[in-house]
Amino acid sequence: QKEVEQNSGPLSVPEGAIASLNCTYSDRGSQSFFWYRQYSGKSPELIMSIYSNGDKEDGRFTAQLNKASQYVSLLIRDSQPSDSATYLCAVGDSGGYQKVTFGTGTKLQVIP
Amino acid sequence: KAGVTQTPRYLIKTRGQQVTLSCSPISGHRSVSWYQQTPGQGLQFLFEYFSETQRNKGNFPGRFSGRQFSNSRSEMNVSTLELGDSALYLCASSVEQGAIYGYTFGSGTRLTVV
Repeated sequence: QKEVEQNSGPLSVPEGAIASLNCTYSDRGSQSFFWYRQYSGKSPELIMSIYSNGDKEDGRFTAQLNKASQYVSLLIRDSQPSDSATYLCAVGDSGGYQKVTFGTGTKLQVIP
Repeated sequence: KAGVTQTPRYLIKTRGQQVTLSCSPISGHRSVSWYQQTPGQGLQFLFEYFSETQRNKGNFPGRFSGRQFSNSRSEMNVSTLELGDSALYLCASSVEQGAIYGYTFGSGTRLTVV
């Protein structure tokens, strides 16, 4: 059973701070990694994808990948109250026609 | 560009009944995946369809089935409903494979089994 682990939170950060969200995965052969944001009562929305080791930046978001440690993280700089949501880490399984395994999500609360 | 359309948005069914959910992916997207989301289990993969063929299947009982039509629209069916089937069912559309390109999700169908 391939697993994706996240701390459920809630993670509370003050407005303007950096929020750091972490995720570990069990499938050592995984090649694709995603972060989705899900507001309460809404469906998940893709915000970042990363495929190689290192950092990938998009606006206030930075995804970090370390395949050797099987670790993915998402940094949100200058956090805003509108960033308050549940963040889902998702990992593409290795082999064949891959499916995507989701973590259970980390709830982020940005305090004004 | 139209998004992923799921119908209906809400359903209330009785134990033992069956239900059919519908999903129209983004135009040009040929891969449709279905997920079940519950507070305790998170997003659980049901199956993926590509060009009318099921390419992958999750660990759900045979009561859960699906299909995809030539226009990429997909349906999933749950027979002999159980209380535990109450969940948000999400359809996810992708150009080729959600594991490579990521998904665009529909708004979901909230199923309540009573």
